[in-house]
Amino acid sequence: GQQVMQIPQYQHVQEGEDFTTYCNSSTTLSNIQWYKQRPGGHPVFLIQLVKSGEVKKQKRLTFQFGEAKKNSSLHITATQTTDVGTYFCAVHLTGANSKLTFGKGITLSVRP
Amino acid sequence: NAGVTQTPKFRILKIGQSMTLQCAQDMNHNYMYWYRQDPGMGLKLIYYSVGAGITDKGEVPNGYNVSRSTTEDFPLRLELAAPSQTSVYFCASSRNSYEQYFGPGTRLTVT
Repeated sequence: GQQVMQIPQYQHVQEGEDFTTYCNSSTTLSNIQWYKQRPGGHPVFLIQLVKSGEVKKQKRLTFQFGEAKKNSSLHITATQTTDVGTYFCAVHLTGANSKLTFGKGITLSVRP
Repeated sequence: NAGVTQTPKFRILKIGQSMTLQCAQDMNHNYMYWYRQDPGMGLKLIYYSVGAGITDKGEVPNGYNVSRSTTEDFPLRLELAAPSQTSVYFCASSRNSYEQYFGPGTRLTVT
């Protein structure tokens, strides 16, 4: 069925390295959201992308929506220990505008 | 604003017991959601509501019930608790079904 894929589920980086993760769908998306969940915390909304090819930046985080609106990327420049957590993408599936479907997330750990 | 609040924070239930997880929001949001989160499995939608008096099933509704008598409150009822319901439960709300605001969660253990 229709879903969003986030692979891998875990990634470990050295502090200061860049990090990129992707969210992929088999179907065209109307929009995509990204959330961050710190260890022991709750998901917090980061960004929403709507337009094809859209790029948005938040300090060291860069979010991009693919040209075909089937994938999205999150890039973190020069990771810091404060970036530790799980990053989820979330989408509205076809015919389900009232609810979000979340990917399984990628858990980022940063070695100081 | 308190945002989205959930009670209790932690709870241990015996198999077969029942309980209600409380969720309230003070942002006048129409949309409210209940999710469960198991390790490595992301967030699974249990039930959701698009307004007072309206509820609908999500991906994993079995063993749960909800009601939405007011805009502010969206309680989740567990009847006959089972070990498979051990999880972290998050309530969320949104104004227009887009950006969701999450509560701090309830950690439930069923033994």
